Amino acid sequence: ETGVTQSPTHLIKTRGQQVTLRCSSQSGHNTVSWYQQALGQGPQFIFQYYREEENGRGNFPPRFSGLQFPNYSSELNVNALELDDSALYLCASSRDGGNEKLFFGSGTQLSVL
Amino acid sequence: GESVGLHLPTLSVQEGDNSIINCAYSNSASDYFIWYKQESGKGPQFIIDIRSNMDKRQGQRVTVLLNKTVKHLSLQIAATQPGDSAVYFCAENTQGGGQAGTALIFGKGTTLSVSS
Repeated sequence: ETGVTQSPTHLIKTRGQQVTLRCSSQSGHNTVSWYQQALGQGPQFIFQYYREEENGRGNFPPRFSGLQFPNYSSELNVNALELDDSALYLCASSRDGGNEKLFFGSGTQLSVL
Repeated sequence: GESVGLHLPTLSVQEGDNSIINCAYSNSASDYFIWYKQESGKGPQFIIDIRSNMDKRQGQRVTVLLNKTVKHLSLQIAATQPGDSAVYFCAENTQGGGQAGTALIFGKGTTLSVSS
């Protein structure tokens, strides 16, 4: 059974740029959730993708968007990057839209300069 | 063993001691809870979960206790080892964890330091 994998592991961007982060869900999981974790804080929910559609969203602006593909993998896109977007971005997978036993990947560390 | 009554951001224990990490949750409708361990540079690692129809659940060296009356959750680690050093988060959810599109709400983390 393969776990949740994310790429890239680290990324440096400048303010105003756009970024795409990628996630492959754990084998057997059809739901992907994205979380943002600022330094010293707990993860905060960005949104969830289930059946290739956004299925629940946290308090994040529209410049945070995503996709889910037929193989259940997912992308997180952030446009017009701001300095405060610097954080660890975590992908988590689960079954059927729920949060039971949510398993996280190792994350992508994004630095915005 | 070392224990705390209220949430503290850090907990320092000696190897072999029992550790107790506390968490107060906010939503009285929450009925599913997970404890995560997060090591530096890694994502949160699932430790144990519990539903609100239970007061206690045990895993390997860990026990989670749930007190719904005061909205309090605790994680007990037996015979704490240096490898247990990490940040520990509790997380809550409603609908038994099965409601599509809902978020896990994470509490403030506790940094556990184990000295040998």
